Amino acid sequence: EADIYQTPRYLVIGTGKKITLECSQTMGHDKMYWYQQDPGMELHLIHYSYGVNSTEKGDLSSESTVSRIRTEHFPLTLESARPSHTSQYLCASKLGTDTQYFGPGTRLTVL
Amino acid sequence: GENVEQHPSTLSVQEGDSAVIKCTYSDSASNYFPWYKQELGKRPQLIIDIRSNVGEKKDQRIAVTLNKTAKHFSLHITETQPEDSAVYFCAAKVQGAQKLVFGQGTRLTINP
Repeated sequence: EADIYQTPRYLVIGTGKKITLECSQTMGHDKMYWYQQDPGMELHLIHYSYGVNSTEKGDLSSESTVSRIRTEHFPLTLESARPSHTSQYLCASKLGTDTQYFGPGTRLTVL
Repeated sequence: GENVEQHPSTLSVQEGDSAVIKCTYSDSASNYFPWYKQELGKRPQLIIDIRSNVGEKKDQRIAVTLNKTAKHFSLHITETQPEDSAVYFCAAKVQGAQKLVFGQGTRLTINP
């Protein structure tokens, strides 16, 4: 079934650890996005990609990095997790100017 | 760049009454305005959208209106039901831009 998949769905990790949040979509979408959202609060764009080998920083300063080596895959990496990174991370994608779809999110807790 | 302001931040209405959420945008080149609903613990989902060549769009109990001159658009929910309780986000996209700019969100509570 065409959808956006995020793994893991929940992650509890200690300070200083390196983590990668996975996002994959099976809809052939060219544009992909990462948002940070505290539950029920504003959506903050942290990274986006127009297509393979293109990445841009979003509106919210982030210590994370992204890569887009394949159309369907847009992982987000935190080199050294801190408690301030505790939040929900939502991946999204769309094709051209069509509807933007969100993934189910990863809820990250850094102790 | 584009800026979107959303009001109110919280809204409580009696079941069966109507709810209205308003958004203003700053860039007159914006041409696409979606609304997302996010239920507790779930992902945001598109409920309705409107493009700048249309002034109003309806889908059953929900409607969106757009006033390009005043640069504002609104979500109208009629005959509200408990399942309408959620956080609603408006957004705008400038023509040619690659990203949506979201409003701050409105937490809608429907009281039985």
